[in-house]
Amino acid sequence: SAVISQKPSRDICQRGTSLTIQCQVDSQVTMMFWYRQQPGQSLTLIATANQGSEATYESGFVIDKFPISRPNLTFSTLTVSNMSPEDSSIYLCSVGLAGAKGQFFGPGTRLTVL
Amino acid sequence: KNEVEQSPQNLTAQEGEFITINCSYSVGISALHWLQQHPGGGIVSLFMLSSGKKKHGRLIATINIQEKHSSLHITASHPRDSAVYICAVIGAGNTDKLIFGTGTRLQVFP
Repeated sequence: SAVISQKPSRDICQRGTSLTIQCQVDSQVTMMFWYRQQPGQSLTLIATANQGSEATYESGFVIDKFPISRPNLTFSTLTVSNMSPEDSSIYLCSVGLAGAKGQFFGPGTRLTVL
Repeated sequence: KNEVEQSPQNLTAQEGEFITINCSYSVGISALHWLQQHPGGGIVSLFMLSSGKKKHGRLIATINIQEKHSSLHITASHPRDSAVYICAVIGAGNTDKLIFGTGTRLQVFP
């Protein structure tokens, strides 16, 4: 398994500003994933972040809005840019472990945009 | 139609009751997750299984690959089991992407 932490755990932001969410893992992992969960909805994959390459974004998500960094095998950041109230969601990172199909999730960041 | 369907969407129970949550999927899979999400938002992976049955404490998960169906059972339910339970599948093939069900909201009353 893997222990994953996220910062911040929650934030309230003003429209038009940006927030960077950090995800730290206690072991080296190849694949990290960023999800969004809008109120009352299921999780939606934003992008897959592999170390050493550009993040791969899912349909409906673009790098300008959700830039991702993956500087090493234990850390990633997701930035929510030029926020609007529609960006109010829980943002979760998860990791995939080699040889163990499946993912482990971080505690999430609850974002409210006013 | 969603590729992963859960039932029921909402479930209430009295403490001590036996609870079953069902998950049906329409795609080929390599594995299936049962996840638990508490009101704070964090997600805990309860089980990952690709065949048969797994048990952890009061929780039991089963999967029938031929019928494309999985169940999560909670024995002797307790108010602290109140959460959203999410079924997620990993598609067959070389992918780690999860396909999520819409979740089942469980409330257990004392």
